[in-house]
Amino acid sequence: NAGVMQNPRHLVRRRGQEARLRCSPMKGHSHVYWYRQLPEEGLKFMVYLQKENIIDESGMPKERFSAEFPKEGPSILRIQQVVRGDSAAYFCASSDRGGNTIYFGEGSWLTVV
Amino acid sequence: RKEVEQDPGPFNVPEGATVAFNCTYSNSASQSFFWYRQDCRKEPKLLMSVYSSGNEDGRFTAQLNRASQYISLLIRDSKLSDSATYLCVVNNNRKLIWGLGTSLGVNP
Repeated sequence: NAGVMQNPRHLVRRRGQEARLRCSPMKGHSHVYWYRQLPEEGLKFMVYLQKENIIDESGMPKERFSAEFPKEGPSILRIQQVVRGDSAAYFCASSDRGGNTIYFGEGSWLTVV
Repeated sequence: RKEVEQDPGPFNVPEGATVAFNCTYSNSASQSFFWYRQDCRKEPKLLMSVYSSGNEDGRFTAQLNRASQYISLLIRDSKLSDSATYLCVVNNNRKLIWGLGTSLGVNP
């Protein structure tokens, strides 16, 4: 299955720790998107990346959150000094250059205790 | 005003019923439109794209009215397996803007 792969699927962190979520796009895709879904809320755009470039990070919180998509390897969403409010499902999606169809990974569920 | 608005429901209908969901969006420059389906604690899955000419896929029909900035989804002959949350999605420069979803429960 060459779909969008996210790991870990479930992650538990204590307040103040760091969380790293990884996303490998679908084969042949060079565009990656991260979305967050808070409990009982809709999905919210966070960031759109191409290889080695952040194209749109307008949905990223100003502090503690960062994302990268290196030339080699998966895209990483990094959350430093996690707080309870960071508990959410984080979905990664990818598309080809045209961006007409966006495919989602199965999500990473972060729980901050 | 929210960028994408949907009636949250829930809609509870018997098997075989026809159900319609509506959605409005605020950005008239939005480029493309979709309906996604999301099951509990799963990723959203594309149900269908939405075109001004209307499009149909089996029991599902989607319609877009750009003048009114309105999108609809019609499900005919509902099945138990249609129970899910249906998300109206608008694409603004590769940034997907999501409605909060409409919850559908199909009962035997």
